[in-house]
Amino acid sequence: DTAVSQTPKYLVTQMGNDKSIKCEQNLGHDTMYWYKQDSKKFLKIMFSYNNKELIINETVPNRFSPKSPDKAHLNLHINSLELGDSAVYFCASSQVGGSYNSPLHFGNGTRLTVT
Amino acid sequence: AQTVTQSQPEMSVQEAETVTLSCTYDTSESNYYLFWYKQPPSRQMILVIRQEAYKQQNATENRFSVNFQKAAKSFSLKISDSQLGDTAMYFCALRNTGNQFYFGTGTSLTVIP
Repeated sequence: DTAVSQTPKYLVTQMGNDKSIKCEQNLGHDTMYWYKQDSKKFLKIMFSYNNKELIINETVPNRFSPKSPDKAHLNLHINSLELGDSAVYFCASSQVGGSYNSPLHFGNGTRLTVT
Repeated sequence: AQTVTQSQPEMSVQEAETVTLSCTYDTSESNYYLFWYKQPPSRQMILVIRQEAYKQQNATENRFSVNFQKAAKSFSLKISDSQLGDTAMYFCALRNTGNQFYFGTGTSLTVIP
């Protein structure tokens, strides 16, 4: 009964390809996020969705497109992959409405390697 | 703008000893939440402890406790009786009223047997 699950765990692909990472949460949270962790372990917010609506869209190349079919799912699609996209991508969720002190609950991460 | 600073990139501690990881932050808001996350080599992000800014009492979770100094905007993590399984990257994070989370750059802790 994993709370936040993302697939795949590892993704190795060549430059120029298009790939997707899926994320699902069963916590009933209303907000989901995508974070990128680079080789120096720095965590950078990419996107945030609240009840399927985009509320945070940091400076991310438009090759990255999030899609939220419902509030339990937030997928990340990446077009024309580049070497610099190699990183660990984390999906996370939290409850914004109601319980203000809800922390982030993270998925186990997807290690993307672009060759 | 909010910032979170962890000034110790790496630390080590002997098993069974106590270690304190530093975190300072900057925010103009009066109501916010602070968190410490642990990331072991398995790369999972695990919540260690949380603190509400309006509470003066320092949070404690078993061997983990915080020293929250609101005026100084400081939020350090103390790990008592360090265990080998505590070896991990530790991140300090702030959640503001806009429900955005800001992370520090992390402190890599090694527990030495």
